Amino acid sequence: AQTVTQSQPEMSVQEAETVTLSCTYDTSENNYYLFWYKQPPSRQMILVIRQEAYKQQNATENRFSVNFQKAAKSFSLKISDSQLGDTAMYFCAFAYTDKLIFGTGTRLQVFP
Amino acid sequence: EPEVTQTPSHQVTQMGQEVILRCVPISNHLYFYWYRQILGQKVEFLVSFYNNEISEKSEIFDDQFSVERPDGSNFTLKIRSTKLEDSAMYFCASAGPPKTSGGSYNEQFFGPGTRLTVL
Repeated sequence: AQTVTQSQPEMSVQEAETVTLSCTYDTSENNYYLFWYKQPPSRQMILVIRQEAYKQQNATENRFSVNFQKAAKSFSLKISDSQLGDTAMYFCAFAYTDKLIFGTGTRLQVFP
Repeated sequence: EPEVTQTPSHQVTQMGQEVILRCVPISNHLYFYWYRQILGQKVEFLVSFYNNEISEKSEIFDDQFSVERPDGSNFTLKIRSTKLEDSAMYFCASAGPPKTSGGSYNEQFFGPGTRLTVL
């Protein structure tokens, strides 16, 4: 069975600084997808970034980038130039079929 | 920009009552999902639905749960006899048809959720 682990329940960062959120997963599959979702206080789930396992190049979306280490089954999210609006829960997720499997989340607080 | 909508935003019900949570997926999407999130916990998959039938369901999705696409636009989740432990945020998601080239994963777009409180 696939599992997703986020070992950091809470993180904080000062505005304009960089923060990295960790995620590890376990699977025996070779082709799969990994995601980071943001859940602000409004509770809506917003896709931040995704990575296809067959791609070696790390995905980047503006200030958000990932460090995908397939052999280590690690998928961390780096947020550069943190903004107050980045304050939210961040969920790492895995998909092999179309079912998303989520981690327990990391609560990120950005301080001014 | 098209979005998934859900109604109601908050539903309060008595234990043992039936509830129906409603979702309007993005109009050209073919794949539909329900997830739930108990307060303070992770988001959990409940069920996926395609071509008018369930394609996958989790252990949580027992006989008390059912899904339906009654009229080609709405996608509903029914809980027949609610329990206290059904209190959670329920998210609907939809995804479009498969891409013809490149990656085959269809991004799921989430609705804003329905908060269900069972008393």
